[in-house]
Amino acid sequence: QSVLTQPPSASGTPGQRVTVSCSGSSSNIGNNYVYWYQQLPGTAPKLLIDRNNQRPSGVPDRFSGSKSGTSASLAISGLRSEDEADYHCVAWDDSLGGVVFGGGTKLTVL
Amino acid sequence: QVQLQQWGAGLLKPSETLSLTCSVYGGSFSGYYWTWIRQPPGKGLEWIGGINHFGSTNYNPSLKSRVTISLDTSKNQFSLKLNSVTAADTAVYYCARGLKWNYPRFDPWGQGTLVTVS
Repeated sequence: QSVLTQPPSASGTPGQRVTVSCSGSSSNIGNNYVYWYQQLPGTAPKLLIDRNNQRPSGVPDRFSGSKSGTSASLAISGLRSEDEADYHCVAWDDSLGGVVFGGGTKLTVL
Repeated sequence: QVQLQQWGAGLLKPSETLSLTCSVYGGSFSGYYWTWIRQPPGKGLEWIGGINHFGSTNYNPSLKSRVTISLDTSKNQFSLKLNSVTAADTAVYYCARGLKWNYPRFDPWGQGTLVTVS
């Protein structure tokens, strides 16, 4: 049972816009930055969104992040086949005194 | 460009100690928070803990009694030890560079090491 809640799966067709949600509480998302990671099959995760909505160098602007209250979202526009991956949200939790992850969302491009 | 390369034993028996090491190439060791994260097969990521270049550590409360993270600044390496392993510790273990102890900005990551307890 993950502290942050993500849907286990999401899907879309090429060119579509899809969103992945991440729900937490005041001790994690509500009071700290949210980060998103993309994990392509068989590889290590890669930083996708920094500090709620910042894209690291090299990340296409098709990817965007947002946060409101105790929830965060990752949006992918112009969906492409190479976006098929697992997406993980993560934040610091003040109450637990540690890093907490969502369970991950498997994105399928139909 | 900073790269992390990790290694360690991949097959353990229950009650043994897991031991992994991560080498940092091409960048400064100081000023960052060196972290271990694991992922059980087919499941999500779990933060194990981390260490800064002063040797100050922070551990996942659920693993704290069994975990030790240490560093060797002369070799630009940091290590993970997890004792009394069980089948529940079977996972791919990753090392990663973090920004600060409470900022889970992990970049880059090591290639991952599958550790099986059986």
